Amino acid sequence: GAGVSQSPSNKVTEKGKDVELRCDPISGHTALYWYRQSLGQGLEFLIYFQGNSAPDKSGLPSDRFSAERTGGSVSTLTIQRTQQEDSAVYLCASSPDRYQPQHFGDGTRLSIL
Amino acid sequence: QQQVKQSPQSLIVQKGGISIINCAYENTAFDYFPWYQQFPGKGPALLIAIRPDVSEKKEGRFTISFNKSAKQFSLHIMDSQPGDSATYFCAASGRGSTLGRLYFGRGTQLTVWP
Repeated sequence: GAGVSQSPSNKVTEKGKDVELRCDPISGHTALYWYRQSLGQGLEFLIYFQGNSAPDKSGLPSDRFSAERTGGSVSTLTIQRTQQEDSAVYLCASSPDRYQPQHFGDGTRLSIL
Repeated sequence: QQQVKQSPQSLIVQKGGISIINCAYENTAFDYFPWYQQFPGKGPALLIAIRPDVSEKKEGRFTISFNKSAKQFSLHIMDSQPGDSATYFCAASGRGSTLGRLYFGRGTQLTVWP
């Protein structure tokens, strides 16, 4: 079946611009996670959605980062006023619920010029 | 601080050999320990996972050994193949407020020579 789908696969933008990254989880998965992978910091948790519960935003590095999940399915991660240190691969994962294994998409590689 | 510590950073093994990657953790609330395999340009793929009620889990050529008292776990890849060349990440998650959130090690880049 279809896995986690992320778009775009690559994004190059200028410093100071806003970017939106999209994640389509596996159908029926109620839990959705965003992680960031960078050379310096490895794989870091950003935010987690579980059903209709309030999201766990504890991993967001600054208030320039936000995410929403509409209709319990598709999620969008938004980075405002991008900085060069935001350059990384942004990974989305989903699972049937918070107790089940997470399945990752191939990520969006974000480059800030 | 790093919640899960992984070593070595890189590993070179000859085809047919055993690859061993080690991880350690401090948080006793962790109760789920997966290993992920990642190829360049791809997302991490779940390889095998263990819970602390068992000391070992084997799936094909991949085995997780778990030592609860030492708070350590390791991945053994038997009969390593060139196709196993990838980056491997250990991770942990636990109950309570962090349930579901994965804490990752820094990764081990494995190269298997033919």
